[in-house]
Amino acid sequence: DADVTQTPRNRITKTGKRIMLECSQTKGHDRMYWYRQDPGLGLRLIYYSFDVKDINKGEISDGYSVSRQAQAKFSLSLESAIPNQTALYFCATSEGQGLGANVLTFGAGSRLTVL
Amino acid sequence: AQTVTQSQPEMSVQEAETVTLSCTYDTSESDYYLFWYKQPPSRQMILVIRQEAYKQQNATENRFSVNFQKAAKSFSLKISDSQLGDAAMYFCAYRRGSQGNLIFGKGTKLSVKP
Repeated sequence: DADVTQTPRNRITKTGKRIMLECSQTKGHDRMYWYRQDPGLGLRLIYYSFDVKDINKGEISDGYSVSRQAQAKFSLSLESAIPNQTALYFCATSEGQGLGANVLTFGAGSRLTVL
Repeated sequence: AQTVTQSQPEMSVQEAETVTLSCTYDTSESDYYLFWYKQPPSRQMILVIRQEAYKQQNATENRFSVNFQKAAKSFSLKISDSQLGDAAMYFCAYRRGSQGNLIFGKGTKLSVKP
């Protein structure tokens, strides 16, 4: 099984629908992140969480919300999806301290298409 | 604000040859880390190599090495003996200390010709 699992892998939805992308990890890492990848723009940080009670906005948090249900689970929600949220979404994890805090482990990505 | 610039949207290399991917960054911090990630067509993000800013010695991982020029704020990736499996998007990334977030460049698409 993958260390960082994202579901769904692919999703097509319509404008205005609520969408949840889920992420679970078996790494035992404290820190979890959600990134968005668009062609030509690289990866941009949406939200991150350093522990269960810690949630922080990233570079592009508007239109998104997150929930850290447990150390191992971090979900991303689009309350009302719009077409420009069509992208590849990545969940990532890292250790809380030490050199491991600087190394991210990524999930396989969730491709979301909003029509 | 920190920025990461990859000036080569696409690169091509012949199998078994050497290629260098460029990356520059802008920061006023002294404690930071630099990374190269690889994204093959499978879209999985894979860490290739990392460099701690306080280390003068360039990092090396098998066929992958970096040329870290701290004063010039440059962090290039050299791939030696290129293989077909090296074909991928390569992203340069910067992280401020152990608390900062990872900031990515826009990527360089590497093609490997047989």
